Amino acid sequence: GQSLEQPSEVTAVEGAIVQINCTYQTSGFYGLSWYQQHDGGAPTFLSYNALDGLEETGRFSSFLSRSDSYGYLLLQELQMKDSASYFCAVSENYGQNFVFGPGTRLSVLP
Amino acid sequence: DAGVTQSPTHLIKTRGQQVTLRCSPKSGHDTVSWYQQALGQGPQFIFQYYEEEERQRGNFPDRFSGHQFPNYSSELNVNALLLGDSALYLCASSSFWTGFSVEQYFGPGTRLTVT
Repeated sequence: GQSLEQPSEVTAVEGAIVQINCTYQTSGFYGLSWYQQHDGGAPTFLSYNALDGLEETGRFSSFLSRSDSYGYLLLQELQMKDSASYFCAVSENYGQNFVFGPGTRLSVLP
Repeated sequence: DAGVTQSPTHLIKTRGQQVTLRCSPKSGHDTVSWYQQALGQGPQFIFQYYEEEERQRGNFPDRFSGHQFPNYSSELNVNALLLGDSALYLCASSSFWTGFSVEQYFGPGTRLTVT
């Protein structure tokens, strides 16, 4: 089986930096993705890591350590619009299956 | 360029009934995946269609079936509905050659309520 763990909630203020961690246990790991979902909205793709290291896309960065089965999403210069749920997801069984984590609810305060 | 579209937006059914949900993928995409999202949880992978065949399947019973048409659109069918099937059903499209592991585009979902 597979399991992913993320913190359930994170709170930060505008302009701050926040890190959302994700640990996973899976077989045939293929890559780690991050998705953002606003209340009532559809998940939107943020980033994908297949190899160890840091991927940067604007204010968002994502990191993966395959040896530690661990990754994180780093959000910089937080804005109110970043308040949403963030899901890590792993592609396992060599790309045959796709599993989402339970999600982290981020609240950005003024 | 239209993104992923789904219909209907909302649906109310009675236990034991059958339901069909529809999805049109983003232009240029050929692969459609379906997910079930219960309130407050992450999406759960149901199955994926490519070239009109089910390619991958998550841990869902045979009551959940699907179809993909030559124009890449897809349907999700659920038979013998249970109260526990109440959820948001999301469709996601991707390119087979890019890989659905890399990036998927999600539709707005269909909210199914079973009473």
